[in-house]
Amino acid sequence: DAKTTQPNSMESNEEEPVHLPCNHSTISGTDYIHWYRQLPSQGPEYVIHGLTSNVNNRMASLAIAEDRKSSTLILHRATLRDAAVYYCILKDTGFQKLVFGTGTRLLVSP
Amino acid sequence: ETGVTQTPRHLVMGMTNKKSLKCEQHLGHNAMYWYKQSAKKPLELMFVYNFKEQTENNSVPSRFSPECPNSSHLFLHLHTLQPEDSALYLCASSQGQGQNYEQYFGPGTRLTVT
Repeated sequence: DAKTTQPNSMESNEEEPVHLPCNHSTISGTDYIHWYRQLPSQGPEYVIHGLTSNVNNRMASLAIAEDRKSSTLILHRATLRDAAVYYCILKDTGFQKLVFGTGTRLLVSP
Repeated sequence: ETGVTQTPRHLVMGMTNKKSLKCEQHLGHNAMYWYKQSAKKPLELMFVYNFKEQTENNSVPSRFSPECPNSSHLFLHLHTLQPEDSALYLCASSQGQGQNYEQYFGPGTRLTVT
């Protein structure tokens, strides 16, 4: 299964935008890019996913590079509740499972 | 509240005990999953069920025995566990298994094996 690379941690201030990067240089044409997050002492929570076009929902935006070798999860205004570990995961047709890596730990300061 | 509930939330058991973890989803989904999250390690997929049929067993030891009586319920039966099995056990569900489906996770059961 294709791999993703994320920074171990990032910091942000409350009410500022946050851009969480993910590199996936070996992505195949049919891989979907999924983002989940895990708040402390909770199960993972679905955030957003996409294939080629940028995607928006009530939680976040997903910007996908034209060559699809990288993507960025955008939180438009970080809140303290957004402090979590964010996982970028590729899901393909043959390996239809979520394979979690170590993710990016986002710290949000008041 | 994700629509996936797990009981119990915490469990302490001895190595000779038998216990079961329960998961229920109220989302009308067809696929259900068991994951294990040990301290300082990524989530590991254990089992996958689709329409009550097991479609994935990720080389899980036989002391973990899953059961899926219907699409809404999933159990994990535990017996003769080891201390290294102490972890957070997470259940998830999805509408289908395809790559375009997102998974919804329960809050997990924190298991301690003494």
